[in-house]
Amino acid sequence: GDSVTQMEGPVTLSEEAFLTINCTYTATGYPSLFWYVQYPGEGLQLLLKATKADDKGSNKGFEATYRKETTSFHLEKGSVQVSDSAVYFCALLNTGNQFYFGTGTSLTVIP
Amino acid sequence: NAGVTQTPKFRILKIGQSMTLQCAQDMNHNYMYWYRQDPGMGLKLIYYSVGAGITDKGEVPNGYNVSRSTTEDFPLRLELAAPSQTSVYFCASSWSPNEKLFFGSGTQLSVL
Repeated sequence: GDSVTQMEGPVTLSEEAFLTINCTYTATGYPSLFWYVQYPGEGLQLLLKATKADDKGSNKGFEATYRKETTSFHLEKGSVQVSDSAVYFCALLNTGNQFYFGTGTSLTVIP
Repeated sequence: NAGVTQTPKFRILKIGQSMTLQCAQDMNHNYMYWYRQDPGMGLKLIYYSVGAGITDKGEVPNGYNVSRSTTEDFPLRLELAAPSQTSVYFCASSWSPNEKLFFGSGTQLSVL
């Protein structure tokens, strides 16, 4: 069945460090791919998305590129801030309009 | 603008008790969802609804019931709480099945 696998956390980085959170997926057809973020005490919010191969989603300095050949959608940011501390979820929406979520990766950025 | 509101935020139940998790949205979304998240696991879909009066099972529906009498509200009912239902519960809504989800802040439930 369809699934999402993302790197285990927690991840701790110093401010201004480079961030990569790996995400790979299994799905038939051409799913849409998403990154959601959950800040402390809040619900998940959409961070970025890509709907077809080679699309790049971007928002708030974060980027992820839909790679069909490696079935990946890795999240990157060039310079993290303390305010980026949150839990990040990779997700796919399959052709049957079902969402599948990864386990979440907790990021802590220290000053 | 409230978005998706879940209550309560925390709850402890004894085995065999029942309770209702409330979810309300003020965005006039037709689609609403209940997910649970167990430690170290991704979100699993419990039930969903495509409009008032229409509900359907998701991946892990056993032990739960839902109703959708209005567009705004989508309560989740636990009839006989079991320790396996200890989890964080998220309600979400969307305009359509392939649009982004709007989430509530979650309910942390412990069954002891």
